[in-house]
Amino acid sequence: DQQVKQNSPSLSVQEGRISILNCDYTNSMFDYFLWYKKYPAEGPTFLISISSIKDKNEDGRFTVFLNKSAKHLSLHIVPSQPGDSAVYFCAGGSTLGRLYFGRGTQLTVWP
Amino acid sequence: DAGVIQSPRHEVTEMGQEVTLRCKPISGHDYLFWYRQTMMRGLELLIYFNNNVPIDDSGMPEDRFSAKMPNASFSTLKIQPSEPRDSAVYFCASSLDLAKNIQYFGAGTRLSVL
Repeated sequence: DQQVKQNSPSLSVQEGRISILNCDYTNSMFDYFLWYKKYPAEGPTFLISISSIKDKNEDGRFTVFLNKSAKHLSLHIVPSQPGDSAVYFCAGGSTLGRLYFGRGTQLTVWP
Repeated sequence: DAGVIQSPRHEVTEMGQEVTLRCKPISGHDYLFWYRQTMMRGLELLIYFNNNVPIDDSGMPEDRFSAKMPNASFSTLKIQPSEPRDSAVYFCASSLDLAKNIQYFGAGTRLSVL
């Protein structure tokens, strides 16, 4: 039972344009969400998070949007850079327990 | 801080052999997590510890898998006997607490069981 779903396994974007990665969740008890980035042969690294009481969090080129009614969140990267090419994982969790990860989206940013 | 350290980085073994994966968490982190990443199932939690005590092992696939945390700076994940379907990348992660739950991952161990 996947509680966090990333339905797009891959996304290709031109350098300088916006990348939008999407994530859906089923567990209404989640009270925070995180995005991780993973390069080949490395472990996932934390990128940005958002609390369920907010609908937006911004950090430089990265912005996460949360739509609780739709149980949907998205990560926007503006402008996209070739170094952003990686696998992006969405995760949800509650303060009482573990994180649940999506299967990831491979982002490719081409020059 | 050196971050979460896992060893070995790569492991190739034959079916039926025992495999031991090792992890050193970030000093001061009270939580340690073991994950497995496969194409089919993505990143799935196997087990996690709080203050060296296993809290949730519901993700451990079967009795062939066992995990221990004898002290705050060391954990092992053991597979005995190993099978080809165990081939995956195994990650260890640690965090300060569950409230914010930013987990810091090691580089992983790529396991191939022939």
